[in-house]
Amino acid sequence: NAGVTQTPKFRILKIGQSMTLQCTQDMNHNYMYWYRQDPGMGLKLIYYSVGAGITDKGEVPNGYNVSRSTTEDFPLRLELAAPSQTSVYFCASSYSNPTGTEAFFGQGTRLTVV
Amino acid sequence: SQELEQSPQSLIVQEGKNLTINCTSSKTLYGLYWYKQKYGEGLIFLMMLQKGGEEKSHEKITAKLDEKKQQSSLHITASQPSHAGIYLCGAFAGTYKYIFGTGTRLKVLA
Repeated sequence: NAGVTQTPKFRILKIGQSMTLQCTQDMNHNYMYWYRQDPGMGLKLIYYSVGAGITDKGEVPNGYNVSRSTTEDFPLRLELAAPSQTSVYFCASSYSNPTGTEAFFGQGTRLTVV
Repeated sequence: SQELEQSPQSLIVQEGKNLTINCTSSKTLYGLYWYKQKYGEGLIFLMMLQKGGEEKSHEKITAKLDEKKQQSSLHITASQPSHAGIYLCGAFAGTYKYIFGTGTRLKVLA
């Protein structure tokens, strides 16, 4: 049971480039989330999904896009990367009852935009 | 929108000392989660509290949720270097959004 898997673990992007951060979970969770964590700060919710085909914005969605074509996968797309998007990105998933269970996290993707 | 605020933001303690981290919500909590993050790594689930007045313990870590379900505390007894890391509280903010506190960075000096 792999849990939540994120790829890549590290990436350096030039300003204006695009990339997709991959996230997949094998626990059949309906809920999936993308967070960013800036140095010395807590987690900020970027986007979340409550099931395949359903996504919604979190606190800091600007500059990002997501899709959820399957239950397992929840990729995060960065278009026109900016230095302000330098951060560590975490993907998470949880069961369908949001008040009754914890979220499981991937190991993170450390992104630097130069 | 609901927010979680943690205090203190950072903490440095001598090994063997006790410490407490607080998490305060702007709205009633329907589930409060504590996570630990080692530097540069993902989050590890510690424990979940749901009922007002609930208290849970795991090894030397005890978490409590107050009766009004708006504040939680995490207490570490006889701290060790292995306790070092960032502690985050998390909660569901309604409409399926899972939010986190600002985090508390803990250093334990040997």
